Amino acid sequence: QQQVKQSPQSLIVQKGGISIINCAYENTAFDYFPWYQQFPGKGPALLIAIRPDVSEKKEGRFTISFNKSAKQFSLHIMDSQPGDSATYFCAARDTGRRALTFGSGTRLQVQP
Amino acid sequence: DSGVTQTPKHLITATGQRVTLRCSPRSGDLSVYWYQQSLDQGLQFLIHYYNGEERAKGNILERFSAQQFPDLHSELNLSSLELGDSALYFCASSVGDYINEQFFGPGTRLTVL
Repeated sequence: QQQVKQSPQSLIVQKGGISIINCAYENTAFDYFPWYQQFPGKGPALLIAIRPDVSEKKEGRFTISFNKSAKQFSLHIMDSQPGDSATYFCAARDTGRRALTFGSGTRLQVQP
Repeated sequence: DSGVTQTPKHLITATGQRVTLRCSPRSGDLSVYWYQQSLDQGLQFLIHYYNGEERAKGNILERFSAQQFPDLHSELNLSSLELGDSALYFCASSVGDYINEQFFGPGTRLTVL
């Protein structure tokens, strides 16, 4: 019940295209859903986050869409750039444990 | 740069040994979380401390222990090391006990030979 399922495992997008990464969860106690970006040799960096009472949040080229009834959320990267090439993790936090449960990660490659 | 520091960056040791990983949270942050990142298990939560007190445990082995000191830095102790303990170990910090944003350090890469 603590799992967060993330897809796809890897993604190749052309420069200027839209990258879409999806996550699904089962635990209804999750109350906070962040996305992290990780470059090789670095720690995960917080990118954008959403709460379940909001259906969409946009920050620059990054948008989270949240579907509470379907228990799904996704990250959209508009106008993808080669500098966006990294591994992206969705995560969820439950109200009790406070710790984050991470998805398995998506390796994004943006081709110039 | 997240403001979270971790030492050492790399650690190579042998099976059966014991190591200590150190984390200094961002200035003003009272919570420290430890995570393990491996190829087969992904990012897994280990343990959470808030202002010196243990708050939650995740998939932490009995061979592992942690503590948070009065100056708020934290140490993760790994003993009786096995080959399977080779991984990246991250700490993250947040302002409070129930504040959402967690900021990750650069990690310590542990290699057990």
